[in-house]
Amino acid sequence: NAGVTQTPKFQVLKTGQSMTLQCAQDMNHNSMYWYRQDPGMGLRLIYYSASEGTTDKGEVPNGYNVSRLNKREFSLRLESAAPSQTSVYFCASSELGSLTDTQYFGPGTRLTVL
Amino acid sequence: DQQVKQNSPSLSVQEGRISILNCDYTNSMFDYFLWYKKYPAEGPTFLISISSIKDKNEDGRFTVFLNKSAKHLSLHIVPSQPGDSAVYFCAATYDGQNFVFGPGTRLSVLP
Repeated sequence: NAGVTQTPKFQVLKTGQSMTLQCAQDMNHNSMYWYRQDPGMGLRLIYYSASEGTTDKGEVPNGYNVSRLNKREFSLRLESAAPSQTSVYFCASSELGSLTDTQYFGPGTRLTVL
Repeated sequence: DQQVKQNSPSLSVQEGRISILNCDYTNSMFDYFLWYKKYPAEGPTFLISISSIKDKNEDGRFTVFLNKSAKHLSLHIVPSQPGDSAVYFCAATYDGQNFVFGPGTRLSVLP
């Protein structure tokens, strides 16, 4: 039972390159989330998926796209990376996405865009 | 404008004493509040939560207090242990989907 896994752990990109961050959970959770964390700031929600087949924008969606591939997997894509997207990215999941649900986080992906 | 604020970037406490971490919020729509703990190179882990209909929730050494009129919550850790040294994030939500996190407070518990 691995919980929430993220790949890769580290990535360096050049401006304009594209990449996809992968996230998978094995807890049969319905809801999944992508956050970014920048120094001195809390986690900010990029996109979330309340259930398989649905995705919604969070606080900072510009420059990102997401795919809820199936119930287990939720990927985040940067089509044309910019230095402002240098950050640590966390994926999370929760059972139902209801008010009192607990979110479980992956270990994060540290992305640097040069 | 930050909707969830943690005005103390860092806090140092002696082992065995009480740690008090504070959090203020501006959005009166928030209905549920959570504290997460984060160690370096790991994702945040859930610590304790409180609903807006309560003013206190306790779990072992951890107690969260909510003052709705002041839009303020606090996390008390008693007694503090060196293993509690981590970054603590306060978070709030009104719908269980959109979570707003504070910037975090780094707690150091000194032996």
